[in-house]
Amino acid sequence: GDSVTQTEGQVALSEEDFLTIHCNYSASGYPTLFWYVQYPGEGPQLLFRASRDKEKGSSRGFEATYDKGTTSFHLRKASVQESDSAVYYCALSANTGYQNFYFGKGTSLTVIP
Amino acid sequence: GGIITQTPKFLIGQEGQKLTLKCQQNFNHDTMYWYRQDSGKGLRLIYYSITENDLQKGDLSEGYDASREKKSSFSLTVTSAQKNEMAVFLCASSFGTNTGQLYFGEGSKLTVL
Repeated sequence: GDSVTQTEGQVALSEEDFLTIHCNYSASGYPTLFWYVQYPGEGPQLLFRASRDKEKGSSRGFEATYDKGTTSFHLRKASVQESDSAVYYCALSANTGYQNFYFGKGTSLTVIP
Repeated sequence: GGIITQTPKFLIGQEGQKLTLKCQQNFNHDTMYWYRQDSGKGLRLIYYSITENDLQKGDLSEGYDASREKKSSFSLTVTSAQKNEMAVFLCASSFGTNTGQLYFGEGSKLTVL
């Protein structure tokens, strides 16, 4: 079945460090891929999405490129800030006649000032 | 813009008790979802509904009931609360198209004594 794998469960970085959170997916066809961010006390909110191979999504300095060859959608940011501390979820939307979403287990990012 | 409102925000129950969570959205979305969020396990789908009076089971439906009496509202019932259970329940909605995003409420935190 369809699934999303996030490798990192917890990440701790210093401000201005480079961030990579790995996301690999398993799905047939061309699912839509998403990154969501969840701040404490809030629900997840969309960071960005991508629907086609080689399409790059980006927002707030974060970016990820849809790679069908490696079935990946890795999240990167060149220089993290303390305000980026949050939980990040990779997700896919399967084209099954209705919209169903599959989420990774989430990565908790802590940025130390 | 729209909003998803979940009530109550915090719910404390006793073992064996039936507990109900409510969700309202004013996006006029067709599809609504209930997810359970546990640390390290990501978001797991309990129930979803693609239209009024429709109910579909997700992977985690055992022990839960749901109701969609109006397009704008979707409720979730824990049929028999388990002792020491603690979880966050997230309601979400979407238009149901392949590339559409999920919009989440802030969550309802359940504690069972």
